[in-house]
Amino acid sequence: ETGVTQTPRHLVMGMTNKKSLKCEQHLGHNAMYWYKQSAKKPLELMFVYSLEERVENNSVPSRFSPECPNSSHLFLHLHTLQPEDSALYLCASSQDRQTRLPLHFGNGTRLTVT
Amino acid sequence: GENVEQHPSTLSVQEGDSAVIKCTYSDSASNYFPWYKQELGKRPQLIIDIRSNVGEKKDQRIAVTLNKTAKHFSLHITETQPEDSAVYFCAASPNAGGTSYGKLTFGQGTILTVHP
Repeated sequence: ETGVTQTPRHLVMGMTNKKSLKCEQHLGHNAMYWYKQSAKKPLELMFVYSLEERVENNSVPSRFSPECPNSSHLFLHLHTLQPEDSALYLCASSQDRQTRLPLHFGNGTRLTVT
Repeated sequence: GENVEQHPSTLSVQEGDSAVIKCTYSDSASNYFPWYKQELGKRPQLIIDIRSNVGEKKDQRIAVTLNKTAKHFSLHITETQPEDSAVYFCAASPNAGGTSYGKLTFGQGTILTVHP
């Protein structure tokens, strides 16, 4: 078990579909993150939530919409995606204090946009 | 913002040899430097980290060194084994001041292959 669970593990969707990725953490953390991992590129930070409030949005297109209903759950709603959005989407969590890093990652959702 | 450069992009060694991966960072305010290992199809997992008040840290076969003046840090793996084969990522976290969440900027990754 990882402490951070992501579902689904794999997702194939068309460009006109609407889908959601789910992340749940059982570590008692109160900061959660979405990262995008594309081939041959560094992990890219997309969104950060701290104490359920969005504190960072790294210029992510509006077709990605995050939601954090509580400190244990994080969603990424997807709408009208492009083929270049195909990637591994990783959720992570941490304690909400800088000295309490590190990040704990989930296994990711492998997204393919057709 | 922070920029992290990681080298080499691929590294191939024989079992038992040592492996060294190097990273440089640009933001002198960065004070936390973790290393993650990602096996094929799996999540990144923290293997070691170092904070700016320490120059070196060791955990069994793995060590990390930090040179704040030169703004670079390195991962050293000794007596490599085939199961060390994976992608390794370095990262740096700037001092966020009053912001209490952790924000990591990752390097591009190094594909390490250990041949039996």
